[in-house]
Amino acid sequence: AQKVTQAQTEISVVEKEDVTLDCVYETRDTTYYLFWYKQPPSGELVFLIRRNSFDEQNEISGRYSWNFQKSTSSFNFTITASQVVDSAVYFCALSEADSSASKIIFGSGTRLSIRP
Amino acid sequence: GAGVSQTPSNKVTEKGKYVELRCDPISGHTALYWYRQSLGQGPEFLIYFQGTGAADDSGLPNDRFFAVRPEGSVSTLKIQRTERGDSAVYLCASSLTPTGTTEAFFGQGTRLTVV
Repeated sequence: AQKVTQAQTEISVVEKEDVTLDCVYETRDTTYYLFWYKQPPSGELVFLIRRNSFDEQNEISGRYSWNFQKSTSSFNFTITASQVVDSAVYFCALSEADSSASKIIFGSGTRLSIRP
Repeated sequence: GAGVSQTPSNKVTEKGKYVELRCDPISGHTALYWYRQSLGQGPEFLIYFQGTGAADDSGLPNDRFFAVRPEGSVSTLKIQRTERGDSAVYLCASSLTPTGTTEAFFGQGTRLTVV
C-alpha cells in the first residue's frame, strides 16, 4: 500500500531562517511520482514540484530546494531565507507513474508559520 | 476562467438533506478528480474520471456518495442523506492526462457543513 508520512505537524520559525519539511513515503511500485503542494489560507492547493522516482537529482528553484533520497524513501523540502508569505500548510504526496494511474496519496501536511 | 472552478464555495445543509457540488475543470483536461479534506488532514481521494466515465471510484466512502461527468467536462458530486461526518472541504482537480504523468490543478474547494 502507498503511504506518505509528514511527521512534523507544525513548524514555526523566524523570518529569514532556513526550514526543512520532512517527507517519508512507502510504496511497492518501482516507478512513481512524488509531489509537494502548498495550501495557503485561501485553501487552494498550489503545485510546487513533481519528481519521477528515477530522477534522484536534487532540485533548486529560487529559495526552494528538494532532496530526494530513494535509499531512505524521503523527499524533503527546504525553504531558504524564509519569508512571511511562505506561511501555509505544505503537503507531500505520492502517485503511481502509470498512464492509467488515478490518485494522489497525500500526507497529513505540515503547517509552517513564519514569524516576522 | 483559466483555473478549476468549484461552486458553491460554501454550503450549509441540514442532516439528511441532499447536496450537489459542482466542478468546472480547466478546458481540455480529460482527467478529473474529487478529493475530500477534513480539518487538519491531507486531501483524501474519492473518485477519478477519465472523460465521461468513472475510472476509479474506490475512494467513495459509501453509496450515499455519487459523482457524474456526463459530457466529459463539468462534474457534479452528489451526496444523499447527508450526515454530520460528511462535513469537510471537497476539492476538485483536473489534469491534461492522469496524474501519473502530469500535474493536477486544484480548485479552491467547496466547504460543506452539515448541521
